[in-house]
Amino acid sequence: DADVTQTPRNRITKTGKRIMLECSQTKGHDRMYWYRQDPGLGLRLIYYSFDVKDINKGEISDGYSVSRQAQAKFSLSLESAIPNQTALYFCATSDSLRVFNEQFFGPGTRLTVL
Amino acid sequence: TQLLEQSPQFLSIQEGENLTVYCNSSSVFSSLQWYRQEPGEGPVLLVTVVTGGEVKKLKRLTFQFGDARKDSSLHITAAQPGDTGLYLCAGQHSNFGNEKLTFGTGTRLTIIP
Repeated sequence: DADVTQTPRNRITKTGKRIMLECSQTKGHDRMYWYRQDPGLGLRLIYYSFDVKDINKGEISDGYSVSRQAQAKFSLSLESAIPNQTALYFCATSDSLRVFNEQFFGPGTRLTVL
Repeated sequence: TQLLEQSPQFLSIQEGENLTVYCNSSSVFSSLQWYRQEPGEGPVLLVTVVTGGEVKKLKRLTFQFGDARKDSSLHITAAQPGDTGLYLCAGQHSNFGNEKLTFGTGTRLTIIP
């Protein structure tokens, strides 16, 4: 089955460390997104990409960076992790040929920053 | 600013009961999606509603888009334990170009066997 995968699924790190979260998809979708989920706050968009090397900031991009070097891969980096970046992170994809931007999510990465 | 408010935030009911959860906004959406998220997994799309007043049914789940396209509801008939999860609505203001989704805060539903 065409799928969206994320690695790692769980990560515990210390304040100040650099962390990279990876997302891969076999759906052939051109659009990819990174969200974080916090209790009571829903899903908030960090960055999104509509094509290879296209990068756009979402509503909470400070402290994060992304890279889209191939259509199937979209990575999220925390250059210097801080405790309030502890959250559940989701990658999602969508197909620009569809009108309603329905999104397909990966299983998530639970990140804890101590 | 959270543009989509979902209520209730938490709901716990007995198996077999009916329930309705709501998604409300002060702004108009061109389309609205409902997702269900189970523990340890990402959200999964259930339905997209587009036309004001539209009603869509997915087995025991009935989705309605408000006439003014500012609100939506999800009604579940005869709830089952498998309905347990976090229900998220997400709206799009325009169906053209590079419009992003705005997600609601979610309703966490627990069905007690």
